[in-house]
Amino acid sequence: AQSVTQLDSQVPVFEEAPVELRCNYSSSVSVYLFWYVQYPNQGLQLLLKYLSGSTLVKGINGFEAEFNKSQTSFHLRKPSVHISDTAEYFCAVSEWNYKLTFGKGTLLTVNP
Amino acid sequence: EPEVTQTPSHQVTQMGQEVILRCVPISNHLYFYWYRQILGQKVEFLVSFYNNEISEKSEIFDDQFSVERPDGSNFTLKIRSTKLEDSAMYFCASSQGGAVGAFFGQGTRLTVV
Repeated sequence: AQSVTQLDSQVPVFEEAPVELRCNYSSSVSVYLFWYVQYPNQGLQLLLKYLSGSTLVKGINGFEAEFNKSQTSFHLRKPSVHISDTAEYFCAVSEWNYKLTFGKGTLLTVNP
Repeated sequence: EPEVTQTPSHQVTQMGQEVILRCVPISNHLYFYWYRQILGQKVEFLVSFYNNEISEKSEIFDDQFSVERPDGSNFTLKIRSTKLEDSAMYFCASSQGGAVGAFFGQGTRLTVV
């Protein structure tokens, strides 16, 4: 069965600093990988996805993630964060059935 | 931009009562899902629905739960006899199919008292 581990439950950073949110997954088969963002009192919004091909994927709002098969990781990065990036970020994995398995989430707090 | 719409946004119900959570998926999508998020915990898969039938369900989705697509546009989740532990945010999602990623609604916060 697939599983996702988000290593940090909370990540506080200062505005304009770079950030990396870590995600590791386990699966016995090929997977598709996703990052979703949840702003306060809102639903889940798709940030980016890795399906195949280039291991570096770019998403909305300046975020990118790199798929590393040997390390079974899919870390999310942004070179310079804004106050408005404060939100909960969820890494998710799916297999052939497209059912999403989520990590516990990382709360990113951007401070001025 | 098309979006998944869920109603109501909040629902308070008494233990033992039946609730129906409603969703309008994106119109050309073929796959429909319900997930839930208990406060402070991860988002959990409940059920997937394709071609007018359940394609997969989790251990959580027991006999008290059912889903329906009654009229080709709405997608509902019914909880027959609610328990306190059913209190959670329930998310509906839809996708075109394939590994394109699902689009989620804003969620319905269900509180069972």
